[in-house]
Amino acid sequence: TQLLEQSPQFLSIQEGENLTVYCNSSSVFSSLQWYRQEPGEGPVLLVTVVTGGEVKKLKRLTFQFGDARKDSSLHITAAQPGDTGLYLCAGDVIGSSNTGKLIFGQGTTLQVKP
Amino acid sequence: NAGVTQTPKFQVLKTGQSMTLQCAQDMNHEYMSWYRQDPGMGLRLIHYSVGAGITDQGEVPNGYNVSRSTTEDFPLRLLSAAPSQTSVYFCASSSPGRYTGELFFGEGSRLTVL
Repeated sequence: TQLLEQSPQFLSIQEGENLTVYCNSSSVFSSLQWYRQEPGEGPVLLVTVVTGGEVKKLKRLTFQFGDARKDSSLHITAAQPGDTGLYLCAGDVIGSSNTGKLIFGQGTTLQVKP
Repeated sequence: NAGVTQTPKFQVLKTGQSMTLQCAQDMNHEYMSWYRQDPGMGLRLIHYSVGAGITDQGEVPNGYNVSRSTTEDFPLRLLSAAPSQTSVYFCASSSPGRYTGELFFGEGSRLTVL
């Protein structure tokens, strides 16, 4: 059973377009992280959100944590070919904190064509 | 900075063979974990450890054993490999906190079981 549902699973867009990736769950999370992974490498952390309703910006990337801390979104403005990669959301389920365990979504493969 | 080091990077096994995937971290992190990554399924937690001498099962522990004799090392053992264990395996480490902190991943070990 996938606790974190990520959508879409695949996205192919042209350079300059905007996109949003969603991460949804029926569970409440203490925190939610977004990772980016390139082929042949391990995931690398982009951002952690911990407060319901929190919005964080990282250059052209905007991350939002839902008010109820059950969902999150990643919005990319004016996507560039360098944004191509696998994006993963990962949640720290309430009650499992302080154990180093994260539940991951299925991932979104993003391809940005020049 | 070495960070998290996994060996081997690639391995081909025959059904029934055993092997150990090695993982070492030099960041003095208390928490370490093993994930497997399969297409369309994100990362799934196999086993994790909150400190030397302490391990616990994750979401998909069957067919795998772990031990944690030192803070630095967290090997993953496959006792009798099966084709269903063909996957990419990632080791990760992190530090304790109020919520799960950033996971630092190795580059992965790609295992094929014939």
